[in-house]
Amino acid sequence: AQSVTQLDSHVSVSEGTPVLLRCNYSSSYSPSLFWYVQHPNKGLQLLLKYTSAATLVKGINGFEAEFKKSETSFHLTKPSAHMSDAAEYFCVKAYSGAGSYQLTFGKGTKLSVIP
Amino acid sequence: DVKVTQSSRYLVKRTGEKVFLECVQDMDHENMFWYRQDPGLGLRLIYFSYDVKMKEKGDIPEGYSVSREKKERFSLILESASTNQTSMYLCASSKIGTGQYFGAGTRLSVL
Repeated sequence: AQSVTQLDSHVSVSEGTPVLLRCNYSSSYSPSLFWYVQHPNKGLQLLLKYTSAATLVKGINGFEAEFKKSETSFHLTKPSAHMSDAAEYFCVKAYSGAGSYQLTFGKGTKLSVIP
Repeated sequence: DVKVTQSSRYLVKRTGEKVFLECVQDMDHENMFWYRQDPGLGLRLIYFSYDVKMKEKGDIPEGYSVSREKKERFSLILESASTNQTSMYLCASSKIGTGQYFGAGTRLSVL
């Protein structure tokens, strides 16, 4: 079965310090991986995606993620947290099934940014 | 920009009512999805559709049905709403092989 594990349910950082949100996925030959962000009372927004090109993927708002096949990890980072980054973040793996394209979501990591 | 529109942001219904949640996308996407989101459980797939009149069960289809009569519209139906269906419902759409685009969500309360 496909699975995605977000290792922390809650991460708290100070404004201006680095952000690390951790994600491990169940192994497959050529995964497609995504990070989504959800601000309070809003829908999900795609931050970045990995689809077997460069292993370091740059996304919006200064976020990036590194695909490490040997560790089956896809951790999300940002050098300097901003107050507006406070949100919930979901790591997602895509797989093909029943003629379509489905996603498996991690349970989410809530990021708090302390002024 | 892709736009996925859910007809209601908030809904309050009574136990036993039939509930319709509507979702419309404007980018000619083949795939459409309905999820529910609950604290501590993340997003769980209820149903998806990869073409008009086609539907597939997701992880938690019990108590729900769907309808896709037109490519741009995907409806989620609660035949007889129950209190355990109180949740945030998210609709998404995608082209084959791409990431999904999400609507803003409908927060449903069943009393």
